[in-house]
Amino acid sequence: AQSVTQLDSHVSVSEGTPVLLRCNYSSSYSPSLFWYVQHPNKGLQLLLKYTSAATLVKGINGFEAEFKKSETSFHLTKPSAHMSDAAEYFCVVSEPGSQGNLIFGKGTKLSVKP
Amino acid sequence: NAGVTQTPKFQVLKTGQSMTLQCAQDMNHNSMYWYRQDPGMGLRLIYYSASEGTTDKGEVPNGYNVSRLNKREFSLRLESAAPSQTSVYFCASNWGFHTDTQYFGPGTRLTVL
Repeated sequence: AQSVTQLDSHVSVSEGTPVLLRCNYSSSYSPSLFWYVQHPNKGLQLLLKYTSAATLVKGINGFEAEFKKSETSFHLTKPSAHMSDAAEYFCVVSEPGSQGNLIFGKGTKLSVKP
Repeated sequence: NAGVTQTPKFQVLKTGQSMTLQCAQDMNHNSMYWYRQDPGMGLRLIYYSASEGTTDKGEVPNGYNVSRLNKREFSLRLESAAPSQTSVYFCASNWGFHTDTQYFGPGTRLTVL
């Protein structure tokens, strides 16, 4: 069965410093992996996705993630945080044959201090 | 091109009342989904419709029913609302493949008193 664990429920960084949001997954197949972002009182927006092509995936707003099969990880990074990055981030997995159903992690709330 | 739209944006119900949440997409997607979001829980799938004319249960279907009215529209009904159904509800759509991005609506914030 597929599952996702986001290792931190809350991460706080200073503006201009690197961001690391950690995600481990479990899947019996070759999964697709996604990071979605949700700003306060908004819907969800796709940041980036991995679908078995390049293992280093670049997304919007300077975010990127690396798929590491040996570690079953898909951590999200950004070199320099901006105040507008403050939001909740969800790591998501989907398996072949799942009819596109997504399994969400519980989310990591990112705070950015000036 | 509005994407995925949901109505209403906010709703307050009393225990035992019924209501229907509406969702529509204009991207000609095959699959549509209903999720609920509770603090610290991420999003959990309530029901989905892989294609027009089909619906299936997700992780948390109890207390809900759905209707795929046509390819564009997918509604979620609470027949007898309970306080445990206080949540934010999101509708989403995609082509139905595991590699597809799901596109989300803006959400409906429901409070059951």
